[in-house]
Amino acid sequence: DTAVSQTPKYLVTQMGNDKSIKCEQNLGHDTMYWYKQDSKKFLKIMFSYNNKELIINETVPNRFSPKSPDKAHLNLHINSLELGDSAVYFCASSQGDTGRQGQPQHFGDGTRLSIL
Amino acid sequence: KQEVTQIPAALSVPEGENLVLNCSFTDSAIYNLQWFRQDPGKGLTSLLLIQSSQREQTSGRLNASLDKSSGRSTLYIAASQPGDSATYLCAVKAAGNKLTFGGGTRVLVKP
Repeated sequence: DTAVSQTPKYLVTQMGNDKSIKCEQNLGHDTMYWYKQDSKKFLKIMFSYNNKELIINETVPNRFSPKSPDKAHLNLHINSLELGDSAVYFCASSQGDTGRQGQPQHFGDGTRLSIL
Repeated sequence: KQEVTQIPAALSVPEGENLVLNCSFTDSAIYNLQWFRQDPGKGLTSLLLIQSSQREQTSGRLNASLDKSSGRSTLYIAASQPGDSATYLCAVKAAGNKLTFGGGTRVLVKP
C-alpha cells in the first residue's frame, strides 16, 4: 500500500487555468506538508498542516490555497496558473512534528506540473 | 535565515568504493537533520534522521554523523553499489517546524 499518494502524477495545462492536486496519507500521521521542487531541484516548503490547522505558510502567492478536509488529506488548489508554476510538487506527512524532536517525513512521488 | 549546502553537487565512483557526502548548514540551532534519497521521477525516501542531541546514526551500509557546533553532517555509504545511484538530499529542521533542504548530491556508481 502506498503510504503517501498524490494525484495526478502528471498535469499539463494552459496558463490561466485553475487546477488541484490531491494528497492522501494512510500512515495515521497528524501533520502534512506541500513542497515545491523547481527546475534546479531545490525543494522548498510551501505549507504545513497539523490536525487540519495551518501551521506553516511560506511566502507563496495567494493563488495557492491548501485545503485539509481531514487529517489524512491535504489538497492544493492553484488559481490562474502561470509559467513559473511549472515544477514538481511533493506532498509529505509526519507524526507529531510540532515538537523539537520530530519524526521522519514521508514523501509522495510528486506531481509534475507543466504550464503551456 | 537557515541555508543548507551540499558539496559536491555530483559524484561518480566505481562500484565498491566508499561514498562520502557532505552537508553544511549556517544556523546550528537545529532540532534534527534528515538524509533522503531521491530516484529520478520519484519522491524522497528517508534514509536516516539524527536528532540534535545525537552524534551519528547507522543503518546497514549507511552512517550519518552530525556536528552541530560546526554546522556539518556527513553521510557515508560503504561499499557502493550501482543501486546506490540517486540524488541524496539533506534537510535540517529548526524552529518553525519546517525542513530546509540542500541542493542535493547526484551520485553515480559505475559497475
